[in-house]
Amino acid sequence: IVLTQSPDTLSLSPGESATLSCRASQGLGSNYFAWYQHKPGQAPRLLIYGVSSRATGIPDRFSGTGSGTDFTLTINNLDPEDVAVYYCQQYGSPPLSFGGGTKVEIK
Amino acid sequence: QVLLLQSGAEVKKPGSSVKVSCKASGDGFSNYAISWVRQAPGQGLEWMGGIIPLFGTTKYAQKFQGRVTITADESTTTAYMDLSSLRPDDTAVYYCARQLASRGAFYAMDVWGQGTTVTVSS
Repeated sequence: IVLTQSPDTLSLSPGESATLSCRASQGLGSNYFAWYQHKPGQAPRLLIYGVSSRATGIPDRFSGTGSGTDFTLTINNLDPEDVAVYYCQQYGSPPLSFGGGTKVEIK
Repeated sequence: QVLLLQSGAEVKKPGSSVKVSCKASGDGFSNYAISWVRQAPGQGLEWMGGIIPLFGTTKYAQKFQGRVTITADESTTTAYMDLSSLRPDDTAVYYCARQLASRGAFYAMDVWGQGTTVTVSS
């Protein structure tokens, strides 16, 4: 399953909301879908799993929605610490796959 | 708290092999899967394959079939990723990551190692 993320880069001001999209090449028959945050020099961090469940310690500014082929990560009240590349992922039966990433910048 | 501690950076010649380790602290090693994910310079994340020690299941991405071997030693709670026939485009940061798993499925990656830089250059 190929995951296509858009946009490639998102540049927003602090306090704004970011909407990141991920489209799958075929419908996911399950809710096995996740989002990760990846900052330079660090390991990726799980944000959302099961389409909409926040991982431990993730603030409620981060939310995930979607089904079938279209999925969205929303980051509310953007903070400078949110600067990172965000990846979507489908999991479950192998092979697992990641999207190409969306870079979030702060103006 | 589970931690995954990876082995140090490697510099390899083209055509050689590299073996990266990933030691898990904490309980329940066999109940989880360990996947290996790499990131080449300027590129995104790429799943290479994973192992579920409890079921003796190993799965690989087609791209790496025949070149990668993932193993796990339950006695030392350590997973390994062995990549052979190295090429310059294998230069990347390699991560291990823990996942819940069932007999045939790997779930979300909730704990990650710190990453191991592998450089392939003549």
